[in-house]
Amino acid sequence: SQTIHQWPATLVQPVGSPLSLECTVEGTSNPNLYWYRQAAGRGLQLLFYSVGIGQISSEVPQNLSASRPQDRQFILSSKKLLLSDSGFYLCAWGRVREQYFGPGTRLTVT
Amino acid sequence: AQTVTQSQPEMSVQEAETVTLSCTYDTSESDYYLFWYKQPPSRQMILVIRQEAYKQQNATENRFSVNFQKAAKSFSLKISDSQLGDAAMYFCAYRILYTSGTYKYIFGTGTRLKVLA
Repeated sequence: SQTIHQWPATLVQPVGSPLSLECTVEGTSNPNLYWYRQAAGRGLQLLFYSVGIGQISSEVPQNLSASRPQDRQFILSSKKLLLSDSGFYLCAWGRVREQYFGPGTRLTVT
Repeated sequence: AQTVTQSQPEMSVQEAETVTLSCTYDTSESDYYLFWYKQPPSRQMILVIRQEAYKQQNATENRFSVNFQKAAKSFSLKISDSQLGDAAMYFCAYRILYTSGTYKYIFGTGTRLKVLA
């Protein structure tokens, strides 16, 4: 069965510091991968999606970036965090008929 | 542009009763997928139920069923015999399929369901 991992689970970072969140998927090959952000009490905002290695589509212009160095690895990065980057970040993998989520990372920018 | 609207920010239901959560969407596609996801306090997103637009029969998963009205672009979730464990945020989602073959998902803003003992 497929499993999706995210780390770290919780992160507290000061404004202006860099960010790296990692997501890996097991049990499937060539999945579509997604990064979402969920602000407190809000819905899911799609940030990036990837259909293959090195292929990244950005949905929202911001100071975040994503990379996919391996088939089942998806990384969310920032060079300098803003207060507004705080939130709950979810990684997901999907096929045509389904999408499954990781456990998420809670990011607090102080 | 495709949009998903959940007009009920919060709903309450008595344990063992039935509740219906509403969702409407806008699309020009004829073939698509719709989903309901549950997000409990753990914040793990869980797929509850899926509906293919080409299927006229409403999807059912145990106590969860949908009322899919394609012409009205409505996709409501009915939870029967509500249990305390059903308390969660529920998200409606629509899958966009591009001509390139890639796809992505659009989510509504969610409905928080409270189950009263």
